[in-house]
Amino acid sequence: QSVLTQPPSVSAAPGQTVTISCSGSNSNIGNNFVSWYQQVPGTAPQLLIYDNNKRPSGIPDRFSGSKSGTSAALGITGLQTGDEADYYCGTWDSRLSAGVFGGGTKLTVL
Amino acid sequence: QVQLQESGPGLVKPSETLSLTCTVSGVSISSYYWSWIRQPAGKGLEWIGRIYVNGNTNYNTSLKSRVTLSLDTSKNQFSLNLRSVTAADTAVYYCARDVGLEGTTFFDSWGQGTLVTVSS
Repeated sequence: QSVLTQPPSVSAAPGQTVTISCSGSNSNIGNNFVSWYQQVPGTAPQLLIYDNNKRPSGIPDRFSGSKSGTSAALGITGLQTGDEADYYCGTWDSRLSAGVFGGGTKLTVL
Repeated sequence: QVQLQESGPGLVKPSETLSLTCTVSGVSISSYYWSWIRQPAGKGLEWIGRIYVNGNTNYNTSLKSRVTLSLDTSKNQFSLNLRSVTAADTAVYYCARDVGLEGTTFFDSWGQGTLVTVSS
């Protein structure tokens, strides 16, 4: 059971927009920055978003992050078949003094 | 360009110790936190722990009693020891750079991952 809760799967058609949610508590999302990772099966995760809504160099602006209270969200616009992957949220948990991840969300681009 | 590479045995016997090393190139490990993360087949990411050059460590509470992290600045490497392993410890193990400061965490560079199987 993951500390952060994500939907197991989401799907949308090419060109559309999708949002992936990540729910936590005051000890993690509520008081710490959130990051998001994309993992294509068989490869290492890649950082997409850090500090809630910042994109590393090279990440397209089709990817965006937001946070409100104890929840965060990853938005992807203009979906492409290449966006099919697993997406994970992560943050620090101040009560556990540990890093925590969500269970992951599988994105299918229909 | 920061690069990380995991190395170590791919097969460990139950009750023995899993030992992995991450070799870092492109940056000195004397800066940043350095983390281990694992992923059982078909499952999600699990944070194991992290270490800073001053010896400061944080561990996953569920693994804390069995995990030790260390680093060797002369070799620009950091290591994971996981004791008393069982089949539940079978996973792909990743090392990663943790760019977060005290109380924050995110991973901007990852190794390719190494599969460790626990089996007799």
